[in-house]
Amino acid sequence: DAKTTQPTSMDCAEGRAANLPCNHSTISGNEYVYWYRQIHSQGPQYIIHGLKNNETNEMASLIITEDRKSSTLILPHATLRDTAVYYCIVRVVETSGSRLTFGEGTQLTVNP
Amino acid sequence: EAGVAQSPRYKIIEKRQSVAFWCNPISGHATLYWYQQILGQGPKLLIQFQNNGVVDDSQLPKDRFSAERLKGVDSTLKIQPAKLEDSAVYLCASSLTSGSAYQETQYFGPGTRLLVL
Repeated sequence: DAKTTQPTSMDCAEGRAANLPCNHSTISGNEYVYWYRQIHSQGPQYIIHGLKNNETNEMASLIITEDRKSSTLILPHATLRDTAVYYCIVRVVETSGSRLTFGEGTQLTVNP
Repeated sequence: EAGVAQSPRYKIIEKRQSVAFWCNPISGHATLYWYQQILGQGPKLLIQFQNNGVVDDSQLPKDRFSAERLKGVDSTLKIQPAKLEDSAVYLCASSLTSGSAYQETQYFGPGTRLLVL
């Protein structure tokens, strides 16, 4: 799986949009971009994933650049409960159950 | 829907002792994963089961770690003997193997925090 690069930490004001960048310049054509987050003392939680089109669900939006070398996770209205480590992962999905390879992620702190 | 259950939540042992962790996946999930998460790092996959067969155990230290999923449901991960560097959170996850990996989401349990003294 391709490696990803994320900032170590970011801060965001409560109620504002949080934009978390991820660089995956060596991504292959068959690799998807996944985002998980991990709130302190809990297991990771799936957020969203995509291939090349932008995606949106009830939790977040995922914007993938046209060349697919980077992406941004957007939390439109961050709350204190969104404070967590956010992991950007690229993953081959040709085979069911292929592994998730986690990096160190971005620690997002939402401030009141 | 009940989530992935793990026990115990915390365990403290001395080095060279043995320890076992238990995981009950979400009902109907055929694929089960064990991850190790050392403080300050992301989770690392140790072993993956599909039903009761091993799919990937390439990162499992087989000289001291073992895992089983005898009836394709619950799973146990064992460490024998434990070393100081095994101090970590052990996470279990499961997924519904639908045949379309694109749709597959891994659901994680709360983890077992192990401290080896």
